[in-house]
Amino acid sequence: NAGVTQTPKFQVLKTGQSMTLQCAQDMNHEYMSWYRQDPGMGLRLIHYSVGAGITDQGEVPNGYNVSRSTTEDFPLRLLSAAPSQTSVYFCASSSGMSSYNEQFFGPGTRLTVL
Amino acid sequence: KNEVEQSPQNLTAQEGEFITINCSYSVGISALHWLQQHPGGGIVSLFMLSSGKKKHGRLIATINIQEKHSSLHITASHPRDSAVYICAASNYGGSQGNLIFGKGTKLSVKP
Repeated sequence: NAGVTQTPKFQVLKTGQSMTLQCAQDMNHEYMSWYRQDPGMGLRLIHYSVGAGITDQGEVPNGYNVSRSTTEDFPLRLLSAAPSQTSVYFCASSSGMSSYNEQFFGPGTRLTVL
Repeated sequence: KNEVEQSPQNLTAQEGEFITINCSYSVGISALHWLQQHPGGGIVSLFMLSSGKKKHGRLIATINIQEKHSSLHITASHPRDSAVYICAASNYGGSQGNLIFGKGTKLSVKP
């Protein structure tokens, strides 16, 4: 199993550009989520999904869109990038919604917005 | 005030030392997670616990629900233990969408 994969690993954007961060998992997990990690702050939830076709907002959703058309994929879209979105982005998945389910993290995408 | 506080923020130890990282939380929880973030950035789950104590190799995690406090201990520390250790609290009744993360403790173990 590849686990949770993310592409790209690194990305530089100019303000106003759009892009999609890809996330895929091959563990047949229902629950997937996106976090951002900024210096001096804990991981913060952007969006999450409890299954194909179902998504919801997390703590910091502004400026980001998500969709979940398949169990495997959960892309994160930046519609108009801003310097405040410079961060490291992590995708995670787990087998269910329970607090006791282990989360599996992708390797992260380091995004810089100029 | 952050709902999940970790201490210390940074920790330097000599190889072989016993290490303790603390996590205090102000919210009601159903589970407390400990995660390890490698220098390369990858994050792995170490423990999930809702009561008592868990042990895996040289790592031990404890939780005191009444005091709203958890500790992560590393016995016989080794340079390969150098990483950022993160605790995360899950609220009562919440999905994993309600994980609240601490800021992490950066551990450096010197040979």
